[in-house]
Amino acid sequence: GAGVSQSPRYKVTKRGQDVTLRCDPISSHATLYWYQQALGQGPEFLTYFNYEAQPDKSGLPSDRFSAERPEGSISTLTIQRTEQRDSAMYRCASSLRTDTEAFFGQGTRLTVV
Amino acid sequence: SQQGEEDPQALSIQEGENATMNCSYKTSINNLQWYRQNSGRGLVHLILIRSNEREKHSGRLRVTLDTSKKSSSLLITASRAADTASYFCATDARTQAGTALIFGKGTTLSVSS
Repeated sequence: GAGVSQSPRYKVTKRGQDVTLRCDPISSHATLYWYQQALGQGPEFLTYFNYEAQPDKSGLPSDRFSAERPEGSISTLTIQRTEQRDSAMYRCASSLRTDTEAFFGQGTRLTVV
Repeated sequence: SQQGEEDPQALSIQEGENATMNCSYKTSINNLQWYRQNSGRGLVHLILIRSNEREKHSGRLRVTLDTSKKSSSLLITASRAADTASYFCATDARTQAGTALIFGKGTTLSVSS
């Protein structure tokens, strides 16, 4: 696609529910990143993919968080049994390679009530 | 995980003045990038400087890199109100299991007219 697209833009969920966030990267981009960003803070690395491989998921806060990119294009980030502390902006970015500029989507604002 | 640390955390200047932001990082890098974020919106790539470069220019932006000190600076000349934003440095840092784009906490720049 022309840019990185994330959906939904806003998600309100009840504590304990599972949520799945979607990222549609730029089509030629091998690398895809997920970040969590709290208000007034920088993006905190969660995980990344090179095509369908997930070399590093060390940034995922707990085993309630998981991410997939099964065909090397669209990716999903799933949070199971959501907690209030999971409330944040979740940002996806893609790049040609890990050493090139990244293009960000508009993010998904998750609110856990 | 966050690799870079920007300084100052906040900067207020008048239109027409120059703004300088600094970034320090911890591990060896292949490149360092600067991004801008307007008021909680998406991050936009500004400039990338590779580890074998010392200085790079793009319009009113000047970036320097000192790998011996593990630091970089971003200079915005003749600032405008539209430059008001948060600025982040990001490095392709080695994480626990790979190499990923890791962001600092950012400098908030306010330019008043």
